[in-house]
Amino acid sequence: NAGVTQTPKFRILKIGQSMTLQCTQDMNHNYMYWYRQDPGMGLKLIYYSVGAGITDKGEVPNGYNVSRSTTEDFPLRLELAAPSQTSVYFCASSRWTSGRVNEQFFGPGTRLTVL
Amino acid sequence: GQQVMQIPQYQHVQEGEDFTTYCNSSTTLSNIQWYKQRPGGHPVFLIQLVKSGEVKKQKRLTFQFGEAKKNSSLHITATQTTDVGTYFCAGNSNSGYALNFGKGTSLLVTP
Repeated sequence: NAGVTQTPKFRILKIGQSMTLQCTQDMNHNYMYWYRQDPGMGLKLIYYSVGAGITDKGEVPNGYNVSRSTTEDFPLRLELAAPSQTSVYFCASSRWTSGRVNEQFFGPGTRLTVL
Repeated sequence: GQQVMQIPQYQHVQEGEDFTTYCNSSTTLSNIQWYKQRPGGHPVFLIQLVKSGEVKKQKRLTFQFGEAKKNSSLHITATQTTDVGTYFCAGNSNSGYALNFGKGTSLLVTP
């Protein structure tokens, strides 16, 4: 199993440009998440999904959009890039059973710079 | 909403010294997880605690979950340079579908 894969690994955007961060997992996990991590800071939840066709906002959703058309894929869309979106983006997946979130598996991250 | 506070923010120790990081939640948790992130890497799951008062050990690492299920700690005995990284706790409430991560404790170990 490849686990959680993310593309691209690095990207530089100009202000106002758009892009999609790709995330795929091959573990058949029902839950998927997008986090951002600013330098020296913790993880902030952007969006999450509890299954195909279902998404919900996390702590910092403004400026982002997501979709979950399949169990495997959970892309994150930035429509109008701003310097404040310079960060490292992590995708994660987990299985939710018996009323709790289980171990989260993280992808390697996408390092995004907006200039 | 639920908040998870973690202290200290940074810790610098000499190799062989012990290290502890503490995690406190504003609400009762159904479970708590600990992750380690090496510099430049991604968070990696270490352990999950579910029961009140639970204690689990992984070699030199000891994890505890408080009796009220609102706090937790990670203790490393005799640190090694391979322990360098940021340690995050993450709590899940009974009705939550996501984890609330603490801001992490960055551990630096000098030989």
